[in-house]
Amino acid sequence: AQKVTQAQTEISVVEKEDVTLDCVYETRDTTYYLFWYKQPPSGELVFLIRRNSFDEQNEISGRYSWNFQKSTSSFNFTITASQVVDSAVYFCALSGYNNNDMRFGAGTRLTVKP
Amino acid sequence: GAVVSQHPSWVICKSGTSVKIECRSLDFQATTMFWYRQFPKQSLMLMATSNEGSKATYEQGVEKDKFLINHASLTLSTLTVTSAHPEDSSFYICSASGGWDGLGKTFGSGTRLTVV
Repeated sequence: AQKVTQAQTEISVVEKEDVTLDCVYETRDTTYYLFWYKQPPSGELVFLIRRNSFDEQNEISGRYSWNFQKSTSSFNFTITASQVVDSAVYFCALSGYNNNDMRFGAGTRLTVKP
Repeated sequence: GAVVSQHPSWVICKSGTSVKIECRSLDFQATTMFWYRQFPKQSLMLMATSNEGSKATYEQGVEKDKFLINHASLTLSTLTVTSAHPEDSSFYICSASGGWDGLGKTFGSGTRLTVV
């Protein structure tokens, strides 16, 4: 069975602080995909990144960075110099090769205060 | 880039009526579409997967006779909530894929259903 755990329910930081959102996953598949999404108050789901299980390279995109470690089954997301506009719920997700069994974590609500 | 349009964005209906939600891929052919449900302050739960021209595959616990999914063309999938009840009030969101590269990347804007 596939499972995604986002242990942090809510995080509150002050603008310009760095913040890391944790994601731990479980799967028996050898090939799988990991995702991060942002869901602002308006509700739409914004795709941030997809990483396949064979690519453990960390990735940086502007203020966003991701740390994928298969040894600990983690795919953590860091926002550097957070901004108020980063306030949202962030979901980590896991899917098999065909994406037909995508499982989302419970989400982490990030609040960035000015 | 790939765009998915979902309509309506919100709907209020009376208990016992049916509601249809549309999910369209605007600039690509969506061979597979996924439907999710999200209750307030909860995570997204996959309801079903539909492939164009085939019957949808429903997740365990999702009533296929209540949540009718039609994927009749490569650009349109519909979810019909039949005989809606207040407990069906939720946020429904679709995702579409035209191939391996697009998996998990494109979601509709969601439909907030309120049954009164």
